[in-house]
Amino acid sequence: AQSVTQPDIHITVSEGASLELRCNYSYGATPYLFWYVQSPGQGLQLLLKYFSGDTLVQGIKGFEAEFKRSQSSFNLRKPSVHWSDAAEYFCAVGAKDSSYKLIFGSGTRLLVRP
Amino acid sequence: DAGVIQSPRHEVTEMGQEVTLRCKPISGHNSLFWYRQTMMRGLELLIYFNNNVPIDDSGMPEDRFSAKMPNASFSTLKIQPSEPRDSAVYFCASDREGSMNTEAFFGQGTRLTVV
Repeated sequence: AQSVTQPDIHITVSEGASLELRCNYSYGATPYLFWYVQSPGQGLQLLLKYFSGDTLVQGIKGFEAEFKRSQSSFNLRKPSVHWSDAAEYFCAVGAKDSSYKLIFGSGTRLLVRP
Repeated sequence: DAGVIQSPRHEVTEMGQEVTLRCKPISGHNSLFWYRQTMMRGLELLIYFNNNVPIDDSGMPEDRFSAKMPNASFSTLKIQPSEPRDSAVYFCASDREGSMNTEAFFGQGTRLTVV
């Protein structure tokens, strides 16, 4: 069965510092992988997604993520965090044989220190 | 486009009452999803519609929950009777074609509190 693990419940970084949010997945084949961001009181917004091809994926707002099959990981990175990046981040996995069903991780809340 | 519109934004109701949550998807999108978000269980897919037809309702927790999509521009999620454990944020999302190749857009959610 598919599953997604985000081991960090909270992460605090200083503004301008780099960021890496961890995501590990469990799936028998090559998955579809996603990162979403949820600002307080808002719905989820897609940051980026990986289907195939280049394992380094660029997204919106300066985010990128790297798919590492050997580690079953899809970590999200940003070289310099802005105060407006404070939000909750969700990693999700989808199966090619279930075209619509996403399994979400439990989320990582990012706090940004001024 | 105004995006996915959900109403109400907040709902407080007493246990045993009927609750109806509403969703207007983005015009032209033919897939609609209802999700529930709780601290304990995170984000869970409740039901998925494609072209107004329910495709997968395996995530609906029990018979007290029902969802309808009478036309392409409107969907409801009903809980009858409601229980305190139904307290959660309920999200509606729509997608142009309901596949992984397109992006699902989420509404702002309805925060439901059952007392």
